[in-house]
Amino acid sequence: EVQLEESGGGLVQPGGSLRLSCTVSGFTFRDYWMHWVRQAPGKGLVWVSRIYSDGSNTIYADSVKGRFTISRDNAKNTLYLQMNSLRAEDTAVYYCSRATHYWFDPWGQGTLVTVSS
Amino acid sequence: QSALTQPASVSGSPGQSITISCTGTSSDVGGYNYVSWYQQHPGKAPKLIIYDVSNRPSGVSNRFSGSKSGNTASLTISGLQAEDESDYYCSSYTSSTTWVFGGGTKLTVL
Repeated sequence: EVQLEESGGGLVQPGGSLRLSCTVSGFTFRDYWMHWVRQAPGKGLVWVSRIYSDGSNTIYADSVKGRFTISRDNAKNTLYLQMNSLRAEDTAVYYCSRATHYWFDPWGQGTLVTVSS
Repeated sequence: QSALTQPASVSGSPGQSITISCTGTSSDVGGYNYVSWYQQHPGKAPKLIIYDVSNRPSGVSNRFSGSKSGNTASLTISGLQAEDESDYYCSSYTSSTTWVFGGGTKLTVL
């Protein structure tokens, strides 16, 4: 069974940093691109970032460019999102998702990040 | 990148059919056959229900169907059931090699 499990969320002050992890199982992680998608409370889904299967290429939404870094460790079957200079508007549930061609499937259960003083 | 435009809400009675639209531009929906649709129940992770405009993953009911015309994609749910009440999101690949989601549509089964 394919599974994705996010961790690392929590409460952080504005300007602070947090690193999210997404541990996967049930498929060959190194063969797939991966995404991060977020959802602010009561709001819609917003794409955040994508990384190639070997980590050689990354791309970001304009709203997080220069502040967030996506990375992966294929030996540990783990995807990461390093979030710096956090703002209140970054408050959201963050989902990792496997990129199957141009769609997102499956998704993890998400981890909540709250940016507040 | 602006979000794709979806109606905030739609409703229908059991057994009826409903259609949810998803409008973008020639740089996303209109430029690629890479539109996908997701169902999200409250407090749950999104679930893929349509990919590449009109393809259904294994295990998804054939009551769900997708189509596209120009810059607008559509999700149709036929034979509405109570369990279909959920939020629905469209997504498209873009010419900037990024992805964009719609704002979401809340489906109410009356």
